[in-house]
Amino acid sequence: DGGITQSPKYLFRKEGQNVTLSCEQNLNHDAMYWYRQDPGQGLRLIYYSQIVNDFQKGDIAEGYSVSREKKESFPLTVTSAQKNPTAFYLCASSGTGDSNQPQHFGDGTRLSIL
Amino acid sequence: AQSVTQLDSHVSVSEGTPVLLRCNYSSSYSPSLFWYVQHPNKGLQLLLKYTSAATLVKGINGFEAEFKKSETSFHLTKPSAHMSDAAEYFCVVSFSNYGGSQGNLIFGKGTKLSVKP
Repeated sequence: DGGITQSPKYLFRKEGQNVTLSCEQNLNHDAMYWYRQDPGQGLRLIYYSQIVNDFQKGDIAEGYSVSREKKESFPLTVTSAQKNPTAFYLCASSGTGDSNQPQHFGDGTRLSIL
Repeated sequence: AQSVTQLDSHVSVSEGTPVLLRCNYSSSYSPSLFWYVQHPNKGLQLLLKYTSAATLVKGINGFEAEFKKSETSFHLTKPSAHMSDAAEYFCVVSFSNYGGSQGNLIFGKGTKLSVKP
């Protein structure tokens, strides 16, 4: 079945450590997104990519980095510069970057600080 | 400025009774509107979407929503709640008629639906 796979499901970060969240899709979608979800808030966009080798900052990009070397993959690195990384991270994809297109979501990675 | 407001953070209903989750938006442009559902520790699943066709939109699992331009609303309804409907629901607005930039996708803060037996 086609879908989006996020790994790991749970991740713990130590002080000063960078961690990378994986997102893979086999839907042949051009566009991919990373969101952060905090309790009682909607999703906030971290980064998005509409095509391979190109990506754009979202509303809360500070302390995060991404790459898009392959169409199927859009990893997110949470750097030590992100002082409050504890959150639920969701990866999504859509056929194109047109925001009329519904997005398909992975099951998320929950990141906590040790 | 564009915005989306979900009027209730928590709604509780009894099984078999109707569900109403309210969403209002503010936009200078013609929006596309979505409802998504999220079960605990899961991603979001699309329930339905409105993109300027019929104003009454039918979705999965018996949900539907009506776009009312005069009221700038897109409320989600279901005639009879089931225990499996207990989840968090997000109203999402996009303004792709203006530019199509992904930065114009806006999520509401969510409404948690509880269903009592």
